[in-house]
Amino acid sequence: EAGVTQSPTHLIKTRGQQATLRCSPISGHTSVYWYQQALGLGLQFLLWYDEGEERNRGNFPPRFSGRQFPNYSSELNVNALELEDSALYLCASSLKGYNEQFFGPGTRLTVL
Amino acid sequence: GESVGLHLPTLSVQEGDNSIINCAYSNSASDYFIWYKQESGKGPQFIIDIRSNMDKRQGQRVTVLLNKTVKHLSLQIAATQPGDSAVYFCAVLGGYNKLIFGAGTRLAVHP
Repeated sequence: EAGVTQSPTHLIKTRGQQATLRCSPISGHTSVYWYQQALGLGLQFLLWYDEGEERNRGNFPPRFSGRQFPNYSSELNVNALELEDSALYLCASSLKGYNEQFFGPGTRLTVL
Repeated sequence: GESVGLHLPTLSVQEGDNSIINCAYSNSASDYFIWYKQESGKGPQFIIDIRSNMDKRQGQRVTVLLNKTVKHLSLQIAATQPGDSAVYFCAVLGGYNKLIFGAGTRLAVHP
């Protein structure tokens, strides 16, 4: 069974640009979560989507947004990129009603 | 808000020894706890979980202990192997499916 997949693996942007990160959950999983792992800060919860709706949001500015598509895949958009947005962005998925979250390999975003 | 902390940022063990990684949490109402392993360049890998109605749960070479009285969680790895070298995170499930992670402990296994 394929795990959570994310694309691209690496993304390099300059300050002020926009970044789009993509995630495909494990087949059958309806919930998708996004986390930011910045150097020295651990994993921070960003967003939770379930069945196309945003269910929870972490303590991040509105320029971090996303959506979930009918096939349960998801996009994370980061607008007006800042240097401190450089981080590993991790996507996780879970079955509806289950707490276990399974992570993908992440997208490494570098903002220059 | 809820927080999760780890007692040691790094742990160095000899191959074959047992490893114990500790974690503390702040919210006594926390109900679900997970341990993840993250190898360099990879996403966190689910190891084992435990609910608050249990004190202990065992997997393959791993055991998680939960002490709700002192709000403490530990991961024990038996017969530690070089492949166990990684960063280990404990996480607590907060409201609305939000996982709250500790800072991580780097486990280094020496031959």
